[in-house]
Amino acid sequence: DAGVIQSPRHEVTEMGQEVTLRCKPISGHNSLFWYRQTMMRGLELLIYFNNNVPIDDSGMPEDRFSAKMPNASFSTLKIQPSEPRDSAVYFCASSQTNRGSDTQYFGPGTRLTVL
Amino acid sequence: AQSVTQPDIHITVSEGASLELRCNYSYGATPYLFWYVQSPGQGLQLLLKYFSGDTLVQGIKGFEAEFKRSQSSFNLRKPSVHWSDAAEYFCAVALTGGGNKLTFGTGTQLKVEL
Repeated sequence: DAGVIQSPRHEVTEMGQEVTLRCKPISGHNSLFWYRQTMMRGLELLIYFNNNVPIDDSGMPEDRFSAKMPNASFSTLKIQPSEPRDSAVYFCASSQTNRGSDTQYFGPGTRLTVL
Repeated sequence: AQSVTQPDIHITVSEGASLELRCNYSYGATPYLFWYVQSPGQGLQLLLKYFSGDTLVQGIKGFEAEFKRSQSSFNLRKPSVHWSDAAEYFCAVALTGGGNKLTFGTGTQLKVEL
């Protein structure tokens, strides 16, 4: 099993540019999560999907952020336009079900730097 | 408000010494409880989890955790720390019946002195 795959691993961009982060969940998992990690706010859940449907996007900071899951094996998190305060590590995680007891498996993260 | 507290931001222990990392939660009911570890530049790896039953849970890498309902705590322990255990440790909770939305504590950075 390849685990959760994220790309790119590092992204440096300039303020105002569009940024797209990508995630491939573990095959067979039907829940997918996007988290953001910063020194100031720690780990925050941004959005999660179940069976490709967004269930809870209450953590998405503002309209500049959007996430899609067109199929069971791919999700994107887009920031448009990006701002320096978006600099963070973004993690994708997946789990087999949407039960609270289920383990979430995390990808290696994408470190985003917005200049 | 629901919350997860890890009161120790940094902990330093000597290799071979015992370790206990604290975690307290504030929820109306007993949540599902998790401990994750994050090595520098890496994602999070699950160490162990508690759902129900035996309150002492064994995990990977020699870690264990004990759920104490009366104290709303889920402390992580290891009898003898290895230098490779140096990492950041996160306690997390998920509400029963609330999907599997995880809420994380702020983390404890562990340093191991040789």
